[in-house]
Amino acid sequence: DAGVIQSPRHEVTEMGQEVTLRCKPISGHDYLFWYRQTMMRGLELLIYFNNNVPIDDSGMPEDRFSAKMPNASFSTLKIQPSEPRDSAVYFCASSLALLRNEQFFGPGTRLTVL
Amino acid sequence: AQSVAQPEDQVNVAEGNPLTVKCTYSVSGNPYLFWYVQYPNRGLQFLLKYITGDNLVKGSYGFEAEFNKSQTSFHLKKPSALVSDSALYFCAVRDTVVAGYALNFGKGTSLLVTP
Repeated sequence: DAGVIQSPRHEVTEMGQEVTLRCKPISGHDYLFWYRQTMMRGLELLIYFNNNVPIDDSGMPEDRFSAKMPNASFSTLKIQPSEPRDSAVYFCASSLALLRNEQFFGPGTRLTVL
Repeated sequence: AQSVAQPEDQVNVAEGNPLTVKCTYSVSGNPYLFWYVQYPNRGLQFLLKYITGDNLVKGSYGFEAEFNKSQTSFHLKKPSALVSDSALYFCAVRDTVVAGYALNFGKGTSLLVTP
């Protein structure tokens, strides 16, 4: 398996623009997670899905952020409109189960909002 | 509530010396504990986990960690550090009695191994 795939790897955009980040989890994994990493706040869980259904989105910063998982092999994280404070590295991760299983992380998308 | 603390922002060690990266946790029930490593411009990679059983857990790249319930700690160790071990290390915990939560990550400890 190729592991968790994220695209794009780097995104530079201007304030107010819509940004869409994409993730393909490892095949067979039932859980998908979106994280944000910044120097100030560390690694933050934004939202996670189980079998394509959002379970906990309490980490989503505000209504400008939305995430979808239309099928078991694809998820998106959208920011609309983007702001400079959204600049961060966004990671997608997947796991077989929630409790005992480790999460496998993608390489991340480095987002810069000017 | 569950939480995890990594008290050291940075750990410096000479190559060949033993290394320890500290982690303490707080949970309501029993913990599931994990260590991850992050190399520059990469995603987190799983190193090892404690679920149940033997308190000494062995993982990838020669790392091991010891679960200490009385001290609520799960320190990461390696007998002989390599320069290539230099990276950011994250401890994570999940409370087994609190439903609906995913992993809670610490803020990370930067390990620098000097030649």
